[in-house]
Amino acid sequence: DQQVKQNSPSLSVQEGRISILNCDYTNSMFDYFLWYKKYPAEGPTFLISISSIKDKNEDGRFTVFLNKSAKHLSLHIVPSQPGDSAVYFCAASYKYIFGTGTRLKVLA
Amino acid sequence: EPEVTQTPSHQVTQMGQEVILRCVPISNHLYFYWYRQILGQKVEFLVSFYNNEISEKSEIFDDQFSVERPDGSNFTLKIRSTKLEDSAMYFCASSVDIQETQYFGPGTRLLVL
Repeated sequence: DQQVKQNSPSLSVQEGRISILNCDYTNSMFDYFLWYKKYPAEGPTFLISISSIKDKNEDGRFTVFLNKSAKHLSLHIVPSQPGDSAVYFCAASYKYIFGTGTRLKVLA
Repeated sequence: EPEVTQTPSHQVTQMGQEVILRCVPISNHLYFYWYRQILGQKVEFLVSFYNNEISEKSEIFDDQFSVERPDGSNFTLKIRSTKLEDSAMYFCASSVDIQETQYFGPGTRLLVL
């Protein structure tokens, strides 16, 4: 039972362009969401979060959008940089349920 | 910058043996967590710990698992009798409060033979 889904296992984007990573959830009780970045052989690193009382949160190059009616959130990275290449996980509060991750590759 | 540390970085053990994975959370954090990631799969929540007791646990966290905060700094995960399927990367995390950001350690790679 995947309560948090990231349907794109991988994404390739040219340097300087926008990266959009998507995440869907099924449980309407989730009220807090986070995005983490993970490099190989390292622990996840927090990127940005959003509470369900908001529909957008921005931090530098990273913006998270939340569409509660669609139970969908997305992470936008603008402009994308080669150092952004990593696996990105979305996670929902309440036992911090993680999605399966999207591997982002930013091409120089 | 304060960080979560974990030891050992790698652990190889025989099936049926007990292992203890150690974590030192960030010093002013009050909530502690263990997660695991089986190779190629998603990060899975195991347990959260607050005020010297388990606050939440997942179905994965059965009687073979236990957690402890033996002193003011360490947070440990014990697997009593390891199985082959316990082979995974185990991450410790800590946060100031329950809905605050969790900071993850670098993980311990456990291999059960």
